[in-house]
Amino acid sequence: AQSVTQLGSHVSVSEGALVLLRCNYSSSVPPYLFWYVQYPNQGLQLLLKYTTGATLVKGINGFEAEFKKSETSFHLTKPSAHMSDAAEYFCAVSWRGNTPLVFGKGTRLSVIA
Amino acid sequence: DADVTQTPRNRITKTGKRIMLECSQTKGHDRMYWYRQDPGLGLRLIYYSFDVKDINKGEISDGYSVSRQAQAKFSLSLESAIPNQTALYFCATSDVRQNYGYTFGSGTRLTVV
Repeated sequence: AQSVTQLGSHVSVSEGALVLLRCNYSSSVPPYLFWYVQYPNQGLQLLLKYTTGATLVKGINGFEAEFKKSETSFHLTKPSAHMSDAAEYFCAVSWRGNTPLVFGKGTRLSVIA
Repeated sequence: DADVTQTPRNRITKTGKRIMLECSQTKGHDRMYWYRQDPGLGLRLIYYSFDVKDINKGEISDGYSVSRQAQAKFSLSLESAIPNQTALYFCATSDVRQNYGYTFGSGTRLTVV
């Protein structure tokens, strides 16, 4: 079965520190990959996506992610955490748009002053 | 107005009652989805529809039904609500122009007592 694994249900970083949220997927065909963010009491907002082309993709709010086919990974990074980055982050995968998105279980990011 | 509107935003209902959650969109997207979110479990797919005449079960469709009344409207019904259906429910839409990334509604928080 197709699956998405987010390593770490909760990640805590200091303000100004590197943010790294991990996502691995299982797939026998090239995937479309997404990261969504959910702020408290809100819906989900698209951060960035990879479909084809350049494997390093940049998103909103200074986030970026790199598709590594050999590692079946799509980790999310941000060089310097800000207090406003505290939220829950979801990695999601679609197999070439032919199937609904499969979501990981989410990683809650806390930013410590 | 929001691109994807869910009503109601919050609902408390009693065990055994039938309840309908509604979703409407102004995006002109063909594809619509219903997910539920539970803490620690991420988003799980309930039903999806790729066009007006297409309805498909998702991962956790038992106890739910849907109706695609028009391209813009996709309703989710709980035939006889039970407490473990207490969750946050999201409607989403997509089409090929977004490379199948989703636009989410703001969610309906349902409590079954």
